[in-house]
Amino acid sequence: GAGVSQSPRYKVAKRGQDVALRCDPISGHVSLFWYQQALGQGPEFLTYFQNEAQLDKSGLPSDRFFAERPEGSVSTLKIQRTQQEDSAVYLCASSLGRLRNTDTQYFGPGTRLTVL
Amino acid sequence: DAKTTQPNSMESNEEEPVHLPCNHSTISGTDYIHWYRQLPSQGPEYVIHGLTSNVNNRMASLAIAEDRKSSTLILHRATLRDAAVYYCFVVRGANNLFFGTGTRLTVIP
Repeated sequence: GAGVSQSPRYKVAKRGQDVALRCDPISGHVSLFWYQQALGQGPEFLTYFQNEAQLDKSGLPSDRFFAERPEGSVSTLKIQRTQQEDSAVYLCASSLGRLRNTDTQYFGPGTRLTVL
Repeated sequence: DAKTTQPNSMESNEEEPVHLPCNHSTISGTDYIHWYRQLPSQGPEYVIHGLTSNVNNRMASLAIAEDRKSSTLILHRATLRDAAVYYCFVVRGANNLFFGTGTRLTVIP
């Protein structure tokens, strides 16, 4: 079956531009996560959805970052007025259940964002 | 959430076993121990998880100390494809994974 897919795989933006990153989770997965991974670092949590509800957005670094999952499947991470420090790989993951501590997260390949 | 401590890097010769340690001294009774790995230019992938007993799957084995304050991921025969960053987590029904910096495994041909 299909895994988690993300698009685009690569995005180059000029500073100040808005970008939208898409995540298609595994069909039927309830939970969806976004992570940001800077070069040479481990991924850092951004936000979490359970179906269409955004239950945790504590990791979003500023109000320029916005995520949605309106129908409980596809999710979009939007970054407004991009800055150079936003350059990173953005990872999406999904899992079948609702925060059970045995759940496995399945990750997409990530979108590499470069802000010039 | 309970934090973990891992060595920054390790090396192994190809086809030899690798033991990757992780300390999680603040683990609580119902916390699960998970391991993920991230191959170059890919998203992280699940490796194995366990609670108390040692666990085996097709990818690896997980040895959990009796007091659960540490665990070891065992790759029985390292291959070049196992070169990756390995992350250890303690999961408490948390809605995110705290990755830290993990252990970068280098496999020497």
